[in-house]
Amino acid sequence: GESVGLHLPTLSVQEGDNSIINCAYSNSASDYFIWYKQESGKGPQFIIDIRSNMDKRQGQRVTVLLNKTVKHLSLQIAATQPGDSAVYFCARSGGGADGLTFGKGTHLIIQP
Amino acid sequence: DARVTQTPRHKVTEMGQEVTMRCQPILGHNTVFWYRQTMMQGLELLAYFRNRAPLDDSGMPKDRFSAEMPDATLATLKIQPSEPRDSAVYFCASTETGPYGYTFGSGTRLTVV
Repeated sequence: GESVGLHLPTLSVQEGDNSIINCAYSNSASDYFIWYKQESGKGPQFIIDIRSNMDKRQGQRVTVLLNKTVKHLSLQIAATQPGDSAVYFCARSGGGADGLTFGKGTHLIIQP
Repeated sequence: DARVTQTPRHKVTEMGQEVTMRCQPILGHNTVFWYRQTMMQGLELLAYFRNRAPLDDSGMPKDRFSAEMPDATLATLKIQPSEPRDSAVYFCASTETGPYGYTFGSGTRLTVV
């Protein structure tokens, strides 16, 4: 069945270091992937997205990499800051439907 | 900034009571989604509408849940009767078109005791 899963539930990094959050997906028909950030008490907030015809996309301090061969998606955050502490979700869409399938989330903890 | 507005933010109710959650999508967004978030299941799609018409409600327990869009500025999710297992955070999201550019509301935290 369709699923989007995360490798680690918690990731702890030092402030200033780069963070890498990983995600695996199982459905080859997935054509659109998104990363969301969710802070405590708030709804998920869009970070960056990528379509299946791309391998890499960069935003401000964030980069998303897509490896379709191994069905793997990653989010890289450069120079991690305390404000980056949150739960990060990968999500996918595809097959003509508008609903997103979300992974379980990775809690990013920033150590001072 | 345009935002999706959900009310109430918190709701505590007794088992068996009716619960109604409301969502005001972003003006001009024609697709509205309802998601439920729990620790065990994560974010699950319950239902969604396009141009006020229901497109998919396969994720919603039909016997007690119902979702409607009385007009373009209001979406509702109703649970009747509520059960303790319905305790979760319910999110509404809207987009202008397709799965692109989702904007989520802040959610309604429901506790059924």
